Amino acid sequence: NAGVTQTPKFQVLKTGQSMTLQCAQDMNHNSMYWYRQDPGMGLRLIYYSASEGTTDKGEVPNGYNVSRLNKREFSLRLESAAPSQTSVYFCASSEDRAEKAIYEQYFGPGTRLTVT
Amino acid sequence: ILNVEQSPQSLHVQEGDSTNFTCSFPSSNFYALHWYRWETAKSPEALFVMTLNGDEKKKGRISATLNTKEGYSYLYIKGSQPEDSATYLCAFICGTGNQFYFGTGTSLTVIP
Repeated sequence: NAGVTQTPKFQVLKTGQSMTLQCAQDMNHNSMYWYRQDPGMGLRLIYYSASEGTTDKGEVPNGYNVSRLNKREFSLRLESAAPSQTSVYFCASSEDRAEKAIYEQYFGPGTRLTVT
Repeated sequence: ILNVEQSPQSLHVQEGDSTNFTCSFPSSNFYALHWYRWETAKSPEALFVMTLNGDEKKKGRISATLNTKEGYSYLYIKGSQPEDSATYLCAFICGTGNQFYFGTGTSLTVIP
């Protein structure tokens, strides 16, 4: 059981370049999330997906797009990277339960992205 | 923008001391509150999930309480050990349970 995996671990981009961050989970979770973590700030939600085929904006969605490819995979794309997108990106997943009571999240190891 | 505040920002305690820290959140539209432990170079791991009708949660030497009317949660660590050194995050969940708002965390260092 690998849990939540993310690729790549590190990436350096030039301003204007594009790239896709990959995330996969093997826990059969319905919900998946993308966060960014910046110094002095808490984890901020970029996008989430409550189920395969659905995505919704979080707190800071501008400059990003996402794709829920299937139940396992949720990718985050930067179409035209900007220095303000330099950050550590975390993917997470959670199990939905019928009683809608508990959504603890399982996090991936993170991707450290630098945009120059 | 929804404000979730944690205090103190950092804390140094001696091994064996007990300690506690606070997470403050809006008192309306509460769905759940999560506590996570985040060790350096690792990913956050869930400690507790606290819901509206929940009681105090306990896991070994760590426990958490919740007051949704006044909008705060306390995390307590009894008899701190060096392996408790980590950043402790709280996350406020509102609405239908899909929007997570994290605090900036309390960094705990336990000195042997």
